[in-house]
Amino acid sequence: DVKVTQSSRYLVKRTGEKVFLECVQDMDHENMFWYRQDPGLGLRLIYFSYDVKMKEKGDIPEGYSVSREKKERFSLILESASTNQTSMYLCASSPGTAAPSEQYFGPGTRLTVT
Amino acid sequence: AQTVTQSQPEMSVQEAETVTLSCTYDTSESDYYLFWYKQPPSRQMILVIRQEAYKQQNATENRFSVNFQKAAKSFSLKISDSQLGDAAMYFCAYRSGLNFGNEKLTFGTGTRLTIIP
Repeated sequence: DVKVTQSSRYLVKRTGEKVFLECVQDMDHENMFWYRQDPGLGLRLIYFSYDVKMKEKGDIPEGYSVSREKKERFSLILESASTNQTSMYLCASSPGTAAPSEQYFGPGTRLTVT
Repeated sequence: AQTVTQSQPEMSVQEAETVTLSCTYDTSESDYYLFWYKQPPSRQMILVIRQEAYKQQNATENRFSVNFQKAAKSFSLKISDSQLGDAAMYFCAYRSGLNFGNEKLTFGTGTRLTIIP
């Protein structure tokens, strides 16, 4: 079974703190993604990576950065957390083969910024 | 840019009955893929079913089937013989047929399905 894990299920941080959300997949997938999920807005793509050290902005990259130094690990960084970044953050991965395949999701990190 | 619309924020169905969740999308592309994902309470999102736009036949997976109307840009999910375990948020998602290996998904806002025992 594909396994995507996220470092924390719940996280509480203060405004202005630097926050790291970690995601690890164990299936040698090429693609990794970070989404945020908010009620009434669905999932919105923050950043994605299709190879080690490669990244592309998604639909809402402002206030976030990412790092992918190893194939299995994709980190989301909030440089200076703000209250409007309180949300559920979902990581996903996919094989990146020629045929479109499903994305496999982690359990999510519920981040609260106070 | 593509958009995906789910106009039913909440739906409920009696156990063992059939329910249909609606999804419409907007795109100028002719080659694309559509997905339904399920997010059970406090559990991970999983794929329910997928549809390739070039296939005329509607996809089915056991009790789950879709009604894909390409001209109308509609992609509804039908759940037959609803079970308590079907209670979840359901998300419709779109993926462009371009850029193989780059699998960005555009999601709808979700429909929360409640199963009434």
